[in-house]
Amino acid sequence: AQSVAQPEDQVNVAEGNPLTVKCTYSVSGNPYLFWYVQYPNRGLQFLLKYITGDNLVKGSYGFEAEFNKSQTSFHLKKPSALVSDSALYFCAVSPQRTNAGKSTFGDGTTLTVKP
Amino acid sequence: GAGVSQSPSNKVTEKGKDVELRCDPISGHTALYWYRQSLGQGLEFLIYFQGNSAPDKSGLPSDRFSAERTGGSVSTLTIQRTQQEDSAVYLCASSLPGLAGAGELFFGEGSRLTVL
Repeated sequence: AQSVAQPEDQVNVAEGNPLTVKCTYSVSGNPYLFWYVQYPNRGLQFLLKYITGDNLVKGSYGFEAEFNKSQTSFHLKKPSALVSDSALYFCAVSPQRTNAGKSTFGDGTTLTVKP
Repeated sequence: GAGVSQSPSNKVTEKGKDVELRCDPISGHTALYWYRQSLGQGLEFLIYFQGNSAPDKSGLPSDRFSAERTGGSVSTLTIQRTQQEDSAVYLCASSLPGLAGAGELFFGEGSRLTVL
């Protein structure tokens, strides 16, 4: 069975500083990895995914994530945080080529960016 | 509309009543998923539909939960004899077929269910 760990419930950063939201996973075989964001009172939005290829994946709103197979991690990063980035972030993993949408989600990390 | 549409957005019901939640996926998305998001927790997979194939029901928590998808489009999630622990936000998502759309889920805004 696959699993996802987001070790930090909360991440606080100052606007303009770099941010990292951590994610580690456990899965049989090669993983598909995803990040989603949930703004207050909004549905989840897809940010980025790793399927294959370059370990550094770029996504929406200036976010990127690095797949590290040896550390089984897929941390979300952004060079310069904005107050509008404040939201709930979910990491997800799927091992199945034919049903990548049946993902296991982490419990989420609340990112707060302060002016 | 262009996105995944769910209704009702909010539902308050009494313990023991049945509820139906509806999802209208994005046109052309053959895959449809139901997830549940409980307060302070991550998303829990419930059920998956892909085209005309038999649904993957492996995430349904009990036999009180069922779902159907008519005509490969609209889906209804039914919870019978609701319990207080069923209170959660029920999220529907759809995705494009094949590897191009692999895992990239488009979520609706959810149906918040409160069982009193």
